[in-house]
Amino acid sequence: SQTIHQWPATLVQPVGSPLSLECTVEGTSNPNLYWYRQAAGRGLQLLFYSVGIGQISSEVPQNLSASRPQDRQFILSSKKLLLSDSGFYLCAWSWDIGETQYFGPGTRLLVL
Amino acid sequence: ILNVEQSPQSLHVQEGDSTNFTCSFPSSNFYALHWYRWETAKSPEALFVMTLNGDEKKKGRISATLNTKEGYSYLYIKGSQPEDSATYLCALPPSGGSNYKLTFGKGTLLTVNP
Repeated sequence: SQTIHQWPATLVQPVGSPLSLECTVEGTSNPNLYWYRQAAGRGLQLLFYSVGIGQISSEVPQNLSASRPQDRQFILSSKKLLLSDSGFYLCAWSWDIGETQYFGPGTRLLVL
Repeated sequence: ILNVEQSPQSLHVQEGDSTNFTCSFPSSNFYALHWYRWETAKSPEALFVMTLNGDEKKKGRISATLNTKEGYSYLYIKGSQPEDSATYLCALPPSGGSNYKLTFGKGTLLTVNP
């Protein structure tokens, strides 16, 4: 069976510090991978998605970036965090276009 | 930008009550609609994927209907239980069918009081 892992579970970081959130998927190959964010009082917002190693599509302009160094690894990064980066970050995967997305446990980020 | 609206924003019911809430979306170029259930401190869990007008799906006490001509889907919960308390999200891909980019509604927060 497939499982998706995210870490850390929670993170408190000062403004201007770097960020690295990691997501890994087990039990499947060549999944589509996604990073979402839920800011306070708002819905889920798609940040990045990837259809393969090294292939990243960005949905919104921001100070975040994503990378996919391995087939089942998806990393969300920032060089300098902003207060507005606080939120709940979810990684998800799907088999293919049109398929259900399966979410990881999430990382709660608080930028102070 | 796809406009996905869910109502009500929140809902409180008593254990045993049946309830329903709505997801509204543009009816043109419909491709698919996803319902998710998101419990506090957990990750969203897929409930249904609906693709055809008139679709009805059921999972235990939860069921959903789809009307693509008028642009809405209803989620019904029969005999609500405290464990049904969660945020229920609907999501759609943009018109044209690309399912990479699901647009989520803000959700309906259901609280079932024992």
